[in-house]
Amino acid sequence: AQSVTQLGSHVSVSEGALVLLRCNYSSSVPPYLFWYVQYPNQGLQLLLKYTTGATLVKGINGFEAEFKKSETSFHLTKPSAHMSDAAEYFCAVSGPSNTGKLIFGQGTTLQVKP
Amino acid sequence: DGGITQSPKYLFRKEGQNVTLSCEQNLNHDAMYWYRQDPGQGLRLIYYSQIVNDFQKGDIAEGYSVSREKKESFPLTVTSAQKNPTAFYLCASSYSGQTEAFFGQGTRLTVV
Repeated sequence: AQSVTQLGSHVSVSEGALVLLRCNYSSSVPPYLFWYVQYPNQGLQLLLKYTTGATLVKGINGFEAEFKKSETSFHLTKPSAHMSDAAEYFCAVSGPSNTGKLIFGQGTTLQVKP
Repeated sequence: DGGITQSPKYLFRKEGQNVTLSCEQNLNHDAMYWYRQDPGQGLRLIYYSQIVNDFQKGDIAEGYSVSREKKESFPLTVTSAQKNPTAFYLCASSYSGQTEAFFGQGTRLTVV
């Protein structure tokens, strides 16, 4: 079965500092991997995705993630945090049989301090 | 504008009542999904549908029911059999054969 683990339910950084949100997955087939962002009382917005090809993926709002098969990881980074980045972030892996069904991690709440 | 519309945004239910959450999409997506979100638990799949008139149970389907009579609509009914229905419910859709899902703005259900 596929699963996703996000390390750290809460991450706090200062404005301008590096953001690093960790995600590890397990999958018996080549995974499709996603990062979503959620602001309070709203739906999820796609930040970026990895399907095939280049392992370094760039997304919206300056975020990027690198697929590392040997480490089964897909960590999300941003060089310089902005106050508006404060939100909850979810890593997800696609389900089997190409149904589009997503399996989500528990989420990481990012706090940005001024 | 294309997108997914969930209604209502907030919903209150009395004990023993059934309630129906609406989800409509105009993205021409074949697949639609319902997720439940609880604090600290991520998103858990309730039901999903890949084509009209067909749907499958997800990980936590007990106490819920769905229908898919039209491609653009996938309503979720929370029945009285659901013991702890207070949660944030998210509807999503995607193209069949693709794995990127688009989400609605959610419905927050509270039992009073």
